[in-house]
Amino acid sequence: AQSVAQPEDQVNVAEGNPLTVKCTYSVSGNPYLFWYVQYPNRGLQFLLKYITGDNLVKGSYGFEAEFNKSQTSFHLKKPSALVSDSALYFCAVRDFWGYQKVTFGTGTKLQVIP
Amino acid sequence: DVKVTQSSRYLVKRTGEKVFLECVQDMDHENMFWYRQDPGLGLRLIYFSYDVKMKEKGDIPEGYSVSREKKERFSLILESASTNQTSMYLCASSPIWAPNSGGTPDTQYFGPGTRLTVL
Repeated sequence: AQSVAQPEDQVNVAEGNPLTVKCTYSVSGNPYLFWYVQYPNRGLQFLLKYITGDNLVKGSYGFEAEFNKSQTSFHLKKPSALVSDSALYFCAVRDFWGYQKVTFGTGTKLQVIP
Repeated sequence: DVKVTQSSRYLVKRTGEKVFLECVQDMDHENMFWYRQDPGLGLRLIYFSYDVKMKEKGDIPEGYSVSREKKERFSLILESASTNQTSMYLCASSPIWAPNSGGTPDTQYFGPGTRLTVL
């Protein structure tokens, strides 16, 4: 069975500092990994995905994520945080065989402090 | 742009009532999904459908049923609402993809959510 873990319920970072939101995964084959963001009172929006290829994936709003197969991680990063980045972030995984089903993590609340 | 709409943003129902949550997508996607979102638990899959009249149970199907009579519409039904079904319900759609089809899996597109309160 596929699963994804987000070990931090909340991450606080000062505006202008780099941010990292952590995600680890477990799948039986090659993983397909996604990050979504949810702003208050809104649905989830796609940020980026890893399918294959380069381990550093670039996405929307200046976010990027680093895929590490040996550590089974897919951490979300941004070089310089903005107050407007404050939101709930979800990591998700879809494996090669369970292809229609996506499993989401529990979410990490990012708070960027002015 | 893909648009996924849900019939209500907020809904208040009484215990024992039958509740219908409707979801419509306008991009001709084969897959549609119903999730519930609860603090600390993230998104949990209730049911999904990969074609008209086809459905598969997700991780927490108990107390729910679904209906997909048309490709663009996917309904979630609470046969007899209970207080533990108070939650945010999110609908999503995506194109179908299979490992032998070529290409890569697409993202899911989410509706704005329905916050259901069962009293």
